Parts: sequence; structure tokens; C-alpha cells
Amino acid sequence: AQSVTQLDSHVSVSEGTPVLLRCNYSSSYSPSLFWYVQHPNKGLQLLLKYTSAATLVKGINGFEAEFKKSETSFHLTKPSAHMSDAAEYFCAHFKAGGTSYGKLTFGQGTILTVHP
Amino acid sequence: DAGVTQSPTHLIKTRGQHVTLRCSPISGHKSVSWYQQVLGQGPQFIFQYYEKEERGRGNFPDRFSARQFPNYSSELNVNALLLGDSALYLCASSLGSSGAFTYNEQFFGPGTRLTVL
Repeated sequence: AQSVTQLDSHVSVSEGTPVLLRCNYSSSYSPSLFWYVQHPNKGLQLLLKYTSAATLVKGINGFEAEFKKSETSFHLTKPSAHMSDAAEYFCAHFKAGGTSYGKLTFGQGTILTVHP
Repeated sequence: DAGVTQSPTHLIKTRGQHVTLRCSPISGHKSVSWYQQVLGQGPQFIFQYYEKEERGRGNFPDRFSARQFPNYSSELNVNALLLGDSALYLCASSLGSSGAFTYNEQFFGPGTRLTVL
């Protein structure tokens, strides 16, 4: 079965310092992977996606992620945190096949706190 | 262009009651998916509909049902509500005309917050 595991439930950084949110995946084939952000009482916003093209993926708001097949990882990074980055982040795996046109399987989420 | 819209935004019900949640997809999208997000967890897949037909179902009891209308909007129904059904219910729409990812990228609405007392 395909799944994603977010290694940290909470990450705390100071404004202006780098952000690293970790995600490992398990998949028997080349996966499609995503990072979403959810601000309080809001829906999910797509940050970036990996779909078997370049392994370094750039997203919105300065975020990027690197797909590493040898490590089965898809960690999210940002060089310098901003107060507005405080939110919950979800790593997700997309699976299509059979009669289904695809579903997303999400990790448990990582809450990012940014201190002034 | 309008994104995915959901109604109502908040809802309070008591145990044993029935609830209907509504979703309107992005114009031109023919597929709608529903996810349940319990507090402190990631969203979990409930259903996917394409062209009014169920295309996928997650591991949820039969108390959960859904349908899609000719205009591609969708309803999620939950019967005999339990306290554990309290969650944010998210709707996502996609083009959904092929198995290729390009047609299945999902765009999420703001969700309906259901509280069961």
C-alpha cells in the first residue's frame, strides 16, 4: 500500500531561519507527491507537486522540495521563514488506477510555528 | 473564476441526526472528491464521483453516502451521526477525464466544519 509519513508533528523556527519539514513515502512505483498548507479554519492550498519531472520542485511562497528516490523522501524546505508561514503542512501521495480517477493519501500533518 | 465552494461553512448537529453537505466544483470540472479531516489528523478520502458515477470509496461505514448531479455539484450525506463524525469535510474538484494526473489534480474548497453534540 502507498503511504506517506511526516516525521515531525511540530516544528518551531525563528523568523528568518530555514524551515525543514520532513516527509517519507512508500510506493511500489514512481509516485506523485504533494505538499499542501492549511491555515487555521481554512481549506488546503497546494504548495508544490512532484510528478516524475525534475527532482527539485519549486513551489509558491519560496518553498521547494526535493524528491530523493534512494531515501524515499520528499522534504519541504524554505531558506528563510516568515511569520505568515505559520500553519499546518501536509505531505500527500496521489494514486490513480483501476476505476478510480485518483485519490490523495495524506500524512498526519506538521504544525509549523514561527517565532519573532 | 470561482473556486470550489461548499455549504454550509459550519454546522452543529446532535447524535443520531442526519446531515447533508454540498459542494460546487470549479466550472468545467467533472469530478468531485470528498475528504474527512478530524482535528489533529490529515484528510482521509471518503468518495470520488465522476460524471455522476462513484469512482472510488474510502474506508467509511455505509452511513456515509454521496451523489453527483447533472451540473457536477455534489452532496455528501451522513446518517445516524456519531460524536466521532465531528470533523472538517473537504470537497475537491478535478477535470477527471482521464487517468493521467494532469486531469486529476484536485482543487480544494474551504470545507464544512461539522460539530456533533
